[in-house]
Amino acid sequence: DAGVTQSPTHLIKTRGQQVTLRCSPKSGHDTVSWYQQALGQGPQFIFQYYEEEERQRGNFPDRFSGHQFPNYSSELNVNALLLGDSALYLCASSGNRDFDEKLFFGSGTQLSVL
Amino acid sequence: ELKVEQNPLFLSMQEGKNYTIYCNYSTTSDRLYWYRQDPGKSLESLFVLLSNGAVKQEGRLMASLDTKARLSTLHITAAVHDLSATYFCAVDSTLSGGSNYKLTFGKGTLLTVNP
Repeated sequence: DAGVTQSPTHLIKTRGQQVTLRCSPKSGHDTVSWYQQALGQGPQFIFQYYEEEERQRGNFPDRFSGHQFPNYSSELNVNALLLGDSALYLCASSGNRDFDEKLFFGSGTQLSVL
Repeated sequence: ELKVEQNPLFLSMQEGKNYTIYCNYSTTSDRLYWYRQDPGKSLESLFVLLSNGAVKQEGRLMASLDTKARLSTLHITAAVHDLSATYFCAVDSTLSGGSNYKLTFGKGTLLTVNP
């Protein structure tokens, strides 16, 4: 079982550019959540995808958007990058909350905006 | 808005000593998680606490949950250097019967265990 996989591991962009991050969930999981972790802080919930639709959203601007594909993999897109978007972006996958207690995280994508 | 507060934020301890990390949260929740994060790494799940009075132990770590006090503790017994990491608590704000796993994290406790 490969667990949650994310790509790329590191990314450097400049202000104003757009970026796409990718995530494949753990086998058997159908729900993908994205978190942003700034340096020295706890992760913050961005949004969650289930059945190819955004199901929950945190307090992030519309510049942050996502997509889920039929195979449950997901993308996070950030437009018009700001310096403050520099962070570790974590993808987490889960199954049915009533039967699967844990939320599994990928190793993350470190985004640096210059 | 759900708030999760951890203390202390920084903890330096000697090997062999005991200590407790506290996690307070502001609204009703039926799930609390503890994660460990090593520098530059992702989050490793340690414990999931699902009900009032729940206690779980793994090695030198023991976690408990008091939903009435909205308090969870992570107790470290006879610390060893390998426990050095950042520890996060996270509260699931999803309502019962709702969708999955919207976690609100504390700021983390950076634990350093010195020889």
